Amino acid sequence: DAGVTQSPTHLIKTRGQQVTLRCSPISGHKSVSWYQQVLGQGPQFIFQYYEKEERGRGNFPDRFSARQFPNYSSELNVNALLLGDSALYLCASSGTTGSYNEQFFGPGTRLTVL
Amino acid sequence: GNSVTQMEGPVTLSEEAFLTINCTYTATGYPSLFWYVQYPGEGLQLLLKATKADDKGSNKGFEATYRKETTSFHLEKGSVQVSDSAVYFCALTDPTGGFKTIFGAGTRLFVKA
Repeated sequence: DAGVTQSPTHLIKTRGQQVTLRCSPISGHKSVSWYQQVLGQGPQFIFQYYEKEERGRGNFPDRFSARQFPNYSSELNVNALLLGDSALYLCASSGTTGSYNEQFFGPGTRLTVL
Repeated sequence: GNSVTQMEGPVTLSEEAFLTINCTYTATGYPSLFWYVQYPGEGLQLLLKATKADDKGSNKGFEATYRKETTSFHLEKGSVQVSDSAVYFCALTDPTGGFKTIFGAGTRLFVKA
């Protein structure tokens, strides 16, 4: 079975541009979470979606938005990119939103903002 | 708010040495606790977990015990191998915090042959 997949693998943008990152969860998983991992730090929670509804949001500005589709795949959008948005963006899926559930992480999308 | 603090790295050990990576947490509810590992160039993988006080998670020779009285979840391994070189993240998920997972900053482990 395929794991969590993310696209693209790498992305280079300039300041002020907009970017869309995509994630496909493990088959049967209904929950998708997004994380930002700046080099040398732990992942920071951005969003969680379950059954197409937002269930949690981290301390990120409104420039960050996301959505989940009927097939449970998800997109993360970032507008008006800043240099500080350069990071590895991780998507994770799980079967439910229960706190005891393991999250399965994708390989990430490396975003570089110039 | 909820937080996770883990020992700073890097930690450098010789093969077959004993490993301890300290992790303490702050949570408003009753969190589940996790250790994730990130090998060079790869994504995060769950190493072990514990969902209630006094639970011991174990996998691949690694162990960690959920200590509510000391709010700790220290990672241990009796004999490390070169292949254990990676970054280790302690994390918690607290349902009162909206189901988000809070990660520590990570501890890089180097194991020398």
